[in-house]
Amino acid sequence: KAGVTQTPRYLIKTRGQQVTLSCSPISGHRSVSWYQQTPGQGLQFLFEYFSETQRNKGNFPGRFSGRQFSNSRSEMNVSTLELGDSALYLCASSLFTATNEKLFFGSGTQLSVL
Amino acid sequence: SQELEQSPQSLIVQEGKNLTINCTSSKTLYGLYWYKQKYGEGLIFLMMLQKGGEEKSHEKITAKLDEKKQQSSLHITASQPSHAGIYLCGADEYTGANSKLTFGKGITLSVRP
Repeated sequence: KAGVTQTPRYLIKTRGQQVTLSCSPISGHRSVSWYQQTPGQGLQFLFEYFSETQRNKGNFPGRFSGRQFSNSRSEMNVSTLELGDSALYLCASSLFTATNEKLFFGSGTQLSVL
Repeated sequence: SQELEQSPQSLIVQEGKNLTINCTSSKTLYGLYWYKQKYGEGLIFLMMLQKGGEEKSHEKITAKLDEKKQQSSLHITASQPSHAGIYLCGADEYTGANSKLTFGKGITLSVRP
């Protein structure tokens, strides 16, 4: 069974640009969560999607958005990039929920904003 | 919001030594998870603890949940270089009808051969 796949693995952007990251969950998993990891703040929850609906959202500005498709694949978008958005973005999938279940993480997308 | 404090922040041990790391929550723990991460990579699930007093083991790693203390400990016996990495604890945080997983900042473990 293939694991969680995140693309691209590395990304370099400049301030003001926008970026779209992709996550393909494990087959059969319907919940996809996104996290931002930085050395200073650690791992912070962005949002969770289940059956194409955003089920929960963390404390991030509206520049961060996401969506989930009918095949459970998910994308997250960051508009008007800021230097502070440089981080490792991780997605995780699970069968039904982001809590009370084991999460399977992708290898992440390392975003650098110059 | 729930905060998870992990201690120590980092740890260097000699191969073969035992070690214990801790995770303390600011709120009641409903579900506590331990994950391991290699630098710049994704997290790998180690264990999930859901009941006070629960203890689980996998290979040489044992985790315990002390519900009263709102704390979990992870113990590694006879550490090996393969145990090196970042250990993160996570906890279920319920906010109304929704829930999310909150993580501590992690403990970096180095094992000297």
